Amino acid sequence: EDQVTQSPEALRLQEGESSSLNCSYTVSGLRGLFWYRQDPGKGPEFLFTLYSAGEEKEKERLKATLTKKESFLHITAPKPEDSATYLCAVQGRSGNTPLVFGKGTRLSVIA
Amino acid sequence: ETGVTQSPTHLIKTRGQQVTLRCSSQSGHNTVSWYQQALGQGPQFIFQYYREEENGRGNFPPRFSGLQFPNYSSELNVNALELDDSALYLCASSFGGVGTGELFFGEGSRLTVL
Repeated sequence: EDQVTQSPEALRLQEGESSSLNCSYTVSGLRGLFWYRQDPGKGPEFLFTLYSAGEEKEKERLKATLTKKESFLHITAPKPEDSATYLCAVQGRSGNTPLVFGKGTRLSVIA
Repeated sequence: ETGVTQSPTHLIKTRGQQVTLRCSSQSGHNTVSWYQQALGQGPQFIFQYYREEENGRGNFPPRFSGLQFPNYSSELNVNALELDDSALYLCASSFGGVGTGELFFGEGSRLTVL
C-alpha cells in the first residue's frame, strides 16, 4: 500500500528564516511525486511534479528535491504570504493508480 | 479559461439523508476525480471519471456514487449520510485519464452531517 508521511505537522518561521519540509514515501514503482499548496478553506493548488531521484524543481522561494525515499520542499527567505498547508502526494505506476496524499505541513510565517 | 467550480460551497444535512455535490471541470479537461478531506487530514481519493466512465475507485462504500456528463461536468452522490461523512469534498479535473498527477482543484463543498 502506498504511503506518505509528512513532517513536521506544523512549522512556525520568522520572515526570512529558511527551512525545509519533509515528505517520506513508500510506493511500488513511482510514477510521480507531487507538491501542492492549500490555503485555508480552499482547494489544493499544484506546485511541482518530480519523477526521478535527483530531480529538482524551483518556483520563486520554493525548491523541491527528490530521493528514492523522500522529498524535501525547501523554502528560502519565506514571506508571510507563503503561509499555507503544503501537501505531498505520490502516484504509483500500476494500473489506474490515484494520488495518495500525506496529511500536510501547516506553515506559518510571521512578519 | 474558467477554472474548476463546485456547488454548493457549504451545506448541512442530518444523518440518513442524501446529498448531491456538483462540479464543473476546467475547460478542455476530460477527467474528473473526487476527494474527501477531513479536518486536519490530506485528501482521500473517492473515485475518478474519464469520458463518462468510472475508471478508478478508492476505499469508499457503494453509497458514494457519481456521474460524469458529456460536457465533463460531474456529480458526487452520497446516500444514507453518516456523521463521519462530514468533510470538505474536493473535485479535481485533469486531461487524459490516469497518468497525470497535476490536478486542478475546485474550492470544495463543505458538508456537515448532524
